[in-house]
Amino acid sequence: EAQLEESGGGLVTPGGSLRLSCEASEFTFSTYAMNWVRQAPGKGLEWVSSIDSASNSIFYGDSVKGRFTISRDNAKNLLFLQMNSLRVEDTAVYFCARDSAEFDLWGQGTLVTVSS
Amino acid sequence: SYELTQPPSVSVSPGQTASITCSGDNLGDKYVSWYQQKPGQSPVLVIYRDTKRPSGIPERISGSNSGNTATLTITGTQAVDEADYYCQAWASRLYVFGSGTKVTVL
Repeated sequence: EAQLEESGGGLVTPGGSLRLSCEASEFTFSTYAMNWVRQAPGKGLEWVSSIDSASNSIFYGDSVKGRFTISRDNAKNLLFLQMNSLRVEDTAVYFCARDSAEFDLWGQGTLVTVSS
Repeated sequence: SYELTQPPSVSVSPGQTASITCSGDNLGDKYVSWYQQKPGQSPVLVIYRDTKRPSGIPERISGSNSGNTATLTITGTQAVDEADYYCQAWASRLYVFGSGTKVTVL
């Protein structure tokens, strides 16, 4: 069964950095675009970033542009999100999602808390 | 930036029909997906490319998209359908989610 598993969340102070990982299994990771989506406590879904299968096309939401970097390692079936200059408003559960033009597979999410 | 607008909440009696709208400029020209999210769980794709259902999604869930409005319809609503629902579209090199609609089955 295809699965995604995020890791790397935790508590970080404002201005700090964190790197999230998403491990894919039981599907051909290298053929899919991938995304990060976040959800602040009690709030809706917010798309964060996407990367195509070969890392040729990368897009970011306005709220994270210039601070977050998405990347992937197809040989290791891993997706990453490097988050720098973190703000309190970045506090959220971060999901990775497989992109088939729709998000047809989601991980369970990892919680990032930005607080002093 | 492109925005998708959903009603915050919809209430429906068991067995009745729930309709959730998603509005955006010329939304009918884009493909819309819908996701169901229950408390403490990850979102689940329930409709893609406006009208298609992934395997395992019951036939009582359907979608349409025309003009400026996409609609998710749940016919014969059951208690298990109580959840938050989000529409999504791709616009101007960005993915956009709607604000979400909480469906309550009374």
